[in-house]
Amino acid sequence: DAGITQSPRYKITETGRQVTLMCHQTWSHSYMFWYRQDLGHGLRLIYYSAAADITDKGEVPDGYVVSRSKTENFPLTLESATRSQTSVYFCASSWTVGETQYFGPGTRLLVL
Amino acid sequence: TQLLEQSPQFLSIQEGENLTVYCNSSSVFSSLQWYRQEPGEGPVLLVTVVTGGEVKKLKRLTFQFGDARKDSSLHITAAQPGDTGLYLCAGAPLNRDDKIIFGKGTRLHILP
Repeated sequence: DAGITQSPRYKITETGRQVTLMCHQTWSHSYMFWYRQDLGHGLRLIYYSAAADITDKGEVPDGYVVSRSKTENFPLTLESATRSQTSVYFCASSWTVGETQYFGPGTRLLVL
Repeated sequence: TQLLEQSPQFLSIQEGENLTVYCNSSSVFSSLQWYRQEPGEGPVLLVTVVTGGEVKKLKRLTFQFGDARKDSSLHITAAQPGDTGLYLCAGAPLNRDDKIIFGKGTRLHILP
């Protein structure tokens, strides 16, 4: 199906473990984004990418790593998960940096 | 730093009532987008307003962009339980190389 998908939808992990959240889009959008959403903070940008092999930090990048070897995929890795990284993570894509963003369904991550 | 302030943060009203939520900034935007996010899902674009003073209608929802392109409002007529959700505004900066900025949202609950 066309669109933007995220996996897994739910994840429980333990402090210190490495976790990778996957994001895949079928529109060939140039830009892809990772946000975390927490009550009281709204959507906060973690990292974004303008094209394959081009990534840049957002507002809250510490503790996260991204890569984009292919246009359609933009995985987010928590190298050593902490409890403060418990959140709902959204991936989004768009044609240009200032245009409509299309969001995935989110991944709910719980770090114990 | 450009900010978008949304008010109120929370709103709970009875079915059939009218309501208005606001999105304000001290900065000028080239356009402003409104998204709705339902529980367990990602935000979905409702409308984009581009011209100062522009009014767009989407069934019972009326969106207005301020004359100075610094603020916007969303008015819902005869609210229904299906309108329940988080309403996010997002501004596209004048500089086309800058990312869109999201407000923290208004969480709306319509009581049947």
